[in-house]
Amino acid sequence: GNSVTQMEGPVTLSEEAFLTINCTYTATGYPSLFWYVQYPGEGLQLLLKATKADDKGSNKGFEATYRKETTSFHLEKGSVQVSDSAVYFCALSFNTGFQKLVFGTGTRLLVSP
Amino acid sequence: EPEVTQTPSHQVTQMGQEVILRCVPISNHLYFYWYRQILGQKVEFLVSFYNNEISEKSEIFDDQFSVERPDGSNFTLKIRSTKLEDSAMYFCASKEGLAAYNEQFFGPGTRLTVL
Repeated sequence: GNSVTQMEGPVTLSEEAFLTINCTYTATGYPSLFWYVQYPGEGLQLLLKATKADDKGSNKGFEATYRKETTSFHLEKGSVQVSDSAVYFCALSFNTGFQKLVFGTGTRLLVSP
Repeated sequence: EPEVTQTPSHQVTQMGQEVILRCVPISNHLYFYWYRQILGQKVEFLVSFYNNEISEKSEIFDDQFSVERPDGSNFTLKIRSTKLEDSAMYFCASKEGLAAYNEQFFGPGTRLTVL
């Protein structure tokens, strides 16, 4: 079946540190890949996405590249801020049917000043 | 900016009771979804809904669950007889269309605790 695996959290970093959150997927076919972010007390918000192999999604300094050969979509940011503290979810969906999302467990990021 | 809202934010109920979780999707959206996340586990798809019908449901969505769009704005998830294992965060989402550029917008979630 289709599934997403994310690294366990929490990830604790100091401000301006480099961030990587690993995400790998298993899928039959060629899914679109997403990163969602959930800030405290809020819903999941789309952070970035990529729809085909070698696409790079980017937003707010975050980026992730769709790697078909390693079935990965790792999230990176060069310099994190305290305001980036949140839970990050990797997800996939297919462009057929009603496009339900298949999520990973989420990774909590804590950034200290 | 339009947003998806959910009520209540936290619901506590006794095992065997019925609960209704409420969602107000974004007004021009046509596709609606429920997901849930049991503590420490993955966010799981429950059901999608379009044109007043269930379009897809997961194996989790058994006869204890139902969804309804009773009026033009609300989208509800009912659990008829709650079990301890139904304790989870429930997320509602909506989407304007199925084009690749349309994203699913999520509500903040309802935390359901079954005692």
